[in-house]
Amino acid sequence: GDQVEQSPSALSLHEGTDSALRCNFTTTMRSVQWFRQNSRGSLISLFYLASGTKENGRLKSAFDSKERRYSTLHIRDAQLEDSGTYFCAAENTGYQNFYFGKGTSLTVIP
Amino acid sequence: EAAVTQSPRSKVAVTGGKVTLSCHQTNNHDYMYWYRQDTGHGLRLIHYSYVADSTEKGDIPDGYKASRPSQENFSLILELASLSQTAVYFCASSGDRSNTEVFFGKGTRLTVV
Repeated sequence: GDQVEQSPSALSLHEGTDSALRCNFTTTMRSVQWFRQNSRGSLISLFYLASGTKENGRLKSAFDSKERRYSTLHIRDAQLEDSGTYFCAAENTGYQNFYFGKGTSLTVIP
Repeated sequence: EAAVTQSPRSKVAVTGGKVTLSCHQTNNHDYMYWYRQDTGHGLRLIHYSYVADSTEKGDIPDGYKASRPSQENFSLILELASLSQTAVYFCASSGDRSNTEVFFGKGTRLTVV
């Protein structure tokens, strides 16, 4: 079965609003990475976390440091350029392999 | 800056033909990966390698071979391309266990007709 469950699968936001994406893991993970896939299909790395939280501008990500079974990506003051598909990828503790969620398709509406 | 370069960026192949996708990284990373992405889905691991001259099967290796002739280069080989292998393929690299951040190439769009 899927190791990473990502939610929601699709999301529409009005400009200026806030929201959060979430990834739940079926087992303990070693690290998590968040990506945005742009319209050209390129995967842009947003955050890499082995624990704790990181923030970059209007984006903030957290990785559950206790049980290491979920991660969140917060988007503050959404802008049109935030539109795209967001993926999380979690690294298995057993070996260096990464499991991807199925993505959240985000549309920011004027 | 970390760089992973894929070639070609797109390719049309004939069913039953041989296809080779190439990947080159300048990150000095030990690990390299090949993923495929199907429309509306996340990425799934095909093969990976953690050292030159050695490859490992990922989650969906059937119909694919991989080759890692050097630390910098990692190829994905489809000996007999099939329609079901139409997808976008991504190569990636990552370092050792102290920092496993993954860096991706821009992808190769493969269409098998």
